Amino acid sequence: AQSVTQPDIHITVSEGASLELRCNYSYGATPYLFWYVQSPGQGLQLLLKYFSGDTLVQGIKGFEAEFKRSQSSFNLRKPSVHWSDAAEYFCAVGPYAGNNRKLIWGLGTSLAVNP
Amino acid sequence: GAGVSQSPSNKVTEKGKDVELRCDPISGHTALYWYRQRLGQGLEFLIYFQGNSAPDKSGLPSDRFSAERTGESVSTLTIQRTQQEDSAVYLCASSFAGEETQYFGPGTRLLVL
Repeated sequence: AQSVTQPDIHITVSEGASLELRCNYSYGATPYLFWYVQSPGQGLQLLLKYFSGDTLVQGIKGFEAEFKRSQSSFNLRKPSVHWSDAAEYFCAVGPYAGNNRKLIWGLGTSLAVNP
Repeated sequence: GAGVSQSPSNKVTEKGKDVELRCDPISGHTALYWYRQRLGQGLEFLIYFQGNSAPDKSGLPSDRFSAERTGESVSTLTIQRTQQEDSAVYLCASSFAGEETQYFGPGTRLLVL
């Protein structure tokens, strides 16, 4: 069955520290992968996406993610976290082909940033 | 231009009542999606509209849920005879046809008492 797993429900890091949020997926075909961020009181915003090509993708706000097919992973990274990065982060996978546009979502990782 | 808007932002209703949630997509976006997000959960796909094609309703959890879309504009999600388990945030997203990125509205927080 298709699924997305975000193993870490909650992560706390200090401001300026590096960050890695994990995402593993189970998908029967070539996946399209996304990371979205949901800040308090705001809608979901796309951070980055992977469809094909270079497996290291750059996104907004200094985030990057690396697609590793052999590990079925798409982990999100940031070298230096800012207090404003505190939010809920969601990984999603989809086919994005034909009329089936469903995205399958992980349960999210809540990020807290200590000053 | 304006982003995706949803109304109301919050809705409190009594069990058994019907509710209507509205989504105004970004102008020109032909694709529109509804998702449900329960507390502490990821998003559940509900329904997808693309232009004049038949909508993909495969995510609707029961026949109490229905949605309509007028052309390529406003969409309404209706929940009949609401139950407490319907309490959630209902998110709407839109995109251009063939574009991968979905743009999300702020959501409607529904509480069924």
